[in-house]
Amino acid sequence: ETGVTQSPTHLIKTRGQQVTLRCSSQSGHNTVSWYQQALGQGPQFIFQYYREEENGRGNFPPRFSGLQFPNYSSELNVNALELDDSALYLCASSLITPRAADTQYFGPGTRLTVL
Amino acid sequence: EDQVTQSPEALRLQEGESSSLNCSYTVSGLRGLFWYRQDPGKGPEFLFTLYSAGEEKEKERLKATLTKKESFLHITAPKPEDSATYLCAVGDYGGSQGNLIFGKGTKLSVKP
Repeated sequence: ETGVTQSPTHLIKTRGQQVTLRCSSQSGHNTVSWYQQALGQGPQFIFQYYREEENGRGNFPPRFSGLQFPNYSSELNVNALELDDSALYLCASSLITPRAADTQYFGPGTRLTVL
Repeated sequence: EDQVTQSPEALRLQEGESSSLNCSYTVSGLRGLFWYRQDPGKGPEFLFTLYSAGEEKEKERLKATLTKKESFLHITAPKPEDSATYLCAVGDYGGSQGNLIFGKGTKLSVKP
């Protein structure tokens, strides 16, 4: 069974640039959620994708956008980068079922630094 | 507003010294409570899911319990390799299914 993978591991960008982060979900999972984790804080929910559509969004501006592909992999895009976007970006996959509360399994994260 | 508060922020233990970490939560309808372990610079590693008050789960030296207002993560006879940040998160039926609300974590250090 393959776990959640993310790429790249580290990334350095300058303010105003755009960035794309990638995530491959765990085999058998149909849902991907993205989180932002600042240093010393718990992860904060950005959005979730299910069946290639956004299925819930946290308190993040529209310059944070995403995609989910037919193989359930996903991308997180951030436009017009700001210094405060520097964080660990986490992808989590899960299996949505009608009844169960889905446990989310996290990838290793992408460390984004904005200069 | 949904809230998750973890205490203490940091905990230093000697090897073999048992203790408990606390997670207090406020949600309109608990969909699940989740415990994760996170090593520095890495993604959270899943430990437990609890669904209803009175439920308990165990794994090696860890035991998680749940009441209507809080959860405890009990660590029995910890070893240095248990050193990590332990995160608590809740899912709320009132929110979107994908939204886990996390606490800030408890940083555990176990000295030999």
